[in-house]
Amino acid sequence: GQQVMQIPQYQHVQEGEDFTTYCNSSTTLSNIQWYKQRPGGHPVFLIQLVKSGEVKKQKRLTFQFGEAKKNSSLHITATQTTDVGTYFCAAGNQAGTALIFGKGTTLSVSS
Amino acid sequence: DVKVTQSSRYLVKRTGEKVFLECVQDMDHENMFWYRQDPGLGLRLIYFSYDVKMKEKGDIPEGYSVSREKKERFSLILESASTNQTSMYLCASSLRRSSYNEQFFGPGTRLTVL
Repeated sequence: GQQVMQIPQYQHVQEGEDFTTYCNSSTTLSNIQWYKQRPGGHPVFLIQLVKSGEVKKQKRLTFQFGEAKKNSSLHITATQTTDVGTYFCAAGNQAGTALIFGKGTTLSVSS
Repeated sequence: DVKVTQSSRYLVKRTGEKVFLECVQDMDHENMFWYRQDPGLGLRLIYFSYDVKMKEKGDIPEGYSVSREKKERFSLILESASTNQTSMYLCASSLRRSSYNEQFFGPGTRLTVL
């Protein structure tokens, strides 16, 4: 079935360093959503990308959708301890009725 | 704000028991989902529903069933709980039956089957 591969599984950085997580698919995606789950919390929607080559920014977070709509990335500039958590990408399924989630990237930040 | 609530944060059941997990959303959303979350496996879709009495299988429906008798309520049923169903269960809702709508998640139910 349709799969979305997300890498890396874990990433540890020093506060102030940058962080990137990648999401890849073998098939063309209709849309990508990104979610953040804080430790002990539940996933919270961050953003959605729909257009080829789309780039969106939220403060220190930059989201990109590949030109071929087969990959996406989330980049955090100058990480802070408040960025810790697991970041999930999720792609629309072929029927357009549900999301397929990646396995997530867990970010830890040391000060 | 959309609020999605789940009946229990923690639940401990014995093998073979019938288990009901309840989810309620208060924003008149059409779509509701049940996921399980396991370390290293991310979020896996069990079932979803886009209307009362309607349901669709997700990626891992085996061993589970669902019920949606009212628009705001979506129940996940484990007919005969097994130890491999020990997991975090997350309910979510979205406005319409479309993958373009953001999903709002409940706080989760951590189920332990002994």
